[in-house]
Amino acid sequence: DAGVIQSPRHEVTEMGQEVTLRCKPISGHNSLFWYRQTMMRGLELLIYFNNNVPIDDSGMPEDRFSAKMPNASFSTLKIQPSEPRDSAVYFCASSLALGQGAYNEQFFGPGTRLTVL
Amino acid sequence: GQNIDQPTEMTATEGAIVQINCTYQTSGFNGLFWYQQHAGEAPTFLSYNVLDGLEEKGRFSSFLSRSKGYSYLLLKELQMKDSASYLCAVTRTYKYIFGTGTRLKVLA
Repeated sequence: DAGVIQSPRHEVTEMGQEVTLRCKPISGHNSLFWYRQTMMRGLELLIYFNNNVPIDDSGMPEDRFSAKMPNASFSTLKIQPSEPRDSAVYFCASSLALGQGAYNEQFFGPGTRLTVL
Repeated sequence: GQNIDQPTEMTATEGAIVQINCTYQTSGFNGLFWYQQHAGEAPTFLSYNVLDGLEEKGRFSSFLSRSKGYSYLLLKELQMKDSASYLCAVTRTYKYIFGTGTRLKVLA
């Protein structure tokens, strides 16, 4: 089984440019999460989708960040305009809905390492 | 507020036993996960505790005391491949609140 797929794996861009990160969750999972990981703050939840609907976006830092999930197999996280402080590893994770699995553990993609110069 | 504390780094010797502690103060609690993350890779699921007590899975065990807001991950018969970060995460329904992780170095 393919796990969570993310692209690109690495992205280097200049300040002010638009960045789009992509995620394909595990087939059959209806919960999708975007996280950001930095040394200082660890893993932070940015946004949570359930059945393609954004449920909790309280972790999205500011209006420069937006996320979409047009269907059950695809999600994007967009940063426009990007800033150097956005440099981090961005993870997408998916899980079954609550009550459908023994643990409802989240399965993480390999991450996108973003560097904004 | 939410607060999850783990030691930043630990070092242990191959073949030894190491205990990684996690204390938490959160508003709401469903369960506690431990994840392993090798450098440059994604976190992977290790264990889940929802009730007090010890859960054993091979070389890894995890303990939870909800009244004390405390958990630990116990790694036995350490191997070099166990060098990684170990993340403690408290869950409230769908939401995971992660600690910043403990970097474990296993020395030969």
